Amino acid sequence: EPEVTQTPSHQVTQMGQEVILRCVPISNHLYFYWYRQILGQKVEFLVSFYNNEISEKSEIFDDQFSVERPDGSNFTLKIRSTKLEDSAMYFCASSEQETQYFGPGTRLLVL
Amino acid sequence: QQPVQSPQAVILREGEDAVINCSSSKALYSVHWYRQKHGEAPVFLMILLKGGEQKGHEKISASFNEKKQQSSLYLTASQLSYSGTYFCGTIGFTGTASKLTFGTGTRLQVTL
Repeated sequence: EPEVTQTPSHQVTQMGQEVILRCVPISNHLYFYWYRQILGQKVEFLVSFYNNEISEKSEIFDDQFSVERPDGSNFTLKIRSTKLEDSAMYFCASSEQETQYFGPGTRLLVL
Repeated sequence: QQPVQSPQAVILREGEDAVINCSSSKALYSVHWYRQKHGEAPVFLMILLKGGEQKGHEKISASFNEKKQQSSLYLTASQLSYSGTYFCGTIGFTGTASKLTFGTGTRLQVTL
């Protein structure tokens, strides 16, 4: 069964450093998403992406964040200058139509 | 607008039933139910799109009321594997039909 994959599974970085989180969505899906989940809290929407552009973004998704689909398979989330409060689990999701399937997540720890 | 889930937590003995509710102050385009085990990704359970809809199977099913403001998830004859946190994710009629807004979750623990 096809699934969303994410790399790395864990990332530790120093405050102020840039990180790139990578996702490979399910191959025939056209809609891509990033969500994050701070430890013990609910899942929060960051951004959705369709047809090579951002469809919608949340207030969390400020100028420090960017997304890209550099080739036909990868979908990336870049955080330019990480802050302590960026520590969270980051989930990528993809959908063909309504149903969003989540990847296993990248646990980001900012020190 | 964040949906409200209840209860926040429930503990069941194996074989018991549970109902988890998800409410919105406005009519919704759709409701999506997910289960998340500790340290893992949310796993899709089902989606409801139509008012008055009921779907699922006899063990795990869900309903969406006529006004499309409330959904309930029914867990029947619970098994140990049902343990986890259940989230409803909603999509409203404003903005693009892409952003899932999740509730705060219901932590379910099934014991022997």
